[in-house]
Amino acid sequence: GDSVTQMEGPVTLSEEAFLTINCTYTATGYPSLFWYVQYPGEGLQLLLKATKADDKGSNKGFEATYRKETTSFHLEKGSVQVSDSAVYFCARLGGTYKYIFGTGTRLKVLA
Amino acid sequence: EAGVAQSPRYKIIEKRQSVAFWCNPISGHATLYWYQQILGQGPKLLIQFQNNGVVDDSQLPKDRFSAERLKGVDSTLKIQPAKLEDSAVYLCASSLVKGGIDEQFFGPGTRLTVL
Repeated sequence: GDSVTQMEGPVTLSEEAFLTINCTYTATGYPSLFWYVQYPGEGLQLLLKATKADDKGSNKGFEATYRKETTSFHLEKGSVQVSDSAVYFCARLGGTYKYIFGTGTRLKVLA
Repeated sequence: EAGVAQSPRYKIIEKRQSVAFWCNPISGHATLYWYQQILGQGPKLLIQFQNNGVVDDSQLPKDRFSAERLKGVDSTLKIQPAKLEDSAVYLCASSLVKGGIDEQFFGPGTRLTVL
């Protein structure tokens, strides 16, 4: 069935380090792809999205490119901040209009 | 604009007891979702409403879980009786339209602990 696979965390980085969180999905058709972020004690918030192949979603310095050939949607940021510490979820929305989430990757940024 | 509201934020019960969660979506949002998020996992959709009708409840354990959305606004999710494995965060989300690429807005969740 449809699924989303994320790299396991936690990921611990120093401030200003480069971040990559890997995400791959199973492809039945051409799903829309999302990254959500969950800060401590809060609900999930949409970080960025891409709706078709080669689209690049970006927000708050984060970027992710929809790669159909590798069925991937890796999240990147050039210089992380302590305030980026959170759990990041990759998700796909397929033809059934049902969101399928990955297991989440916890990011901890140290000052 | 007010976000999705949920209550209570935390609930501790013993197994075999009943519990209910409440959600108030963003005003005007036709679609409402309930998710279960077990520790260390991503959210799993339990049920999706379009206005006050059920669109998808294929992953709802109907022998113990029930949900309703009266008048197409607020929604309640009930568990009766609760089991240990129901310990999780229950997230409510809403979106303006059905499906498509419409963003879902999430509430803060209700953390349920079953002892």
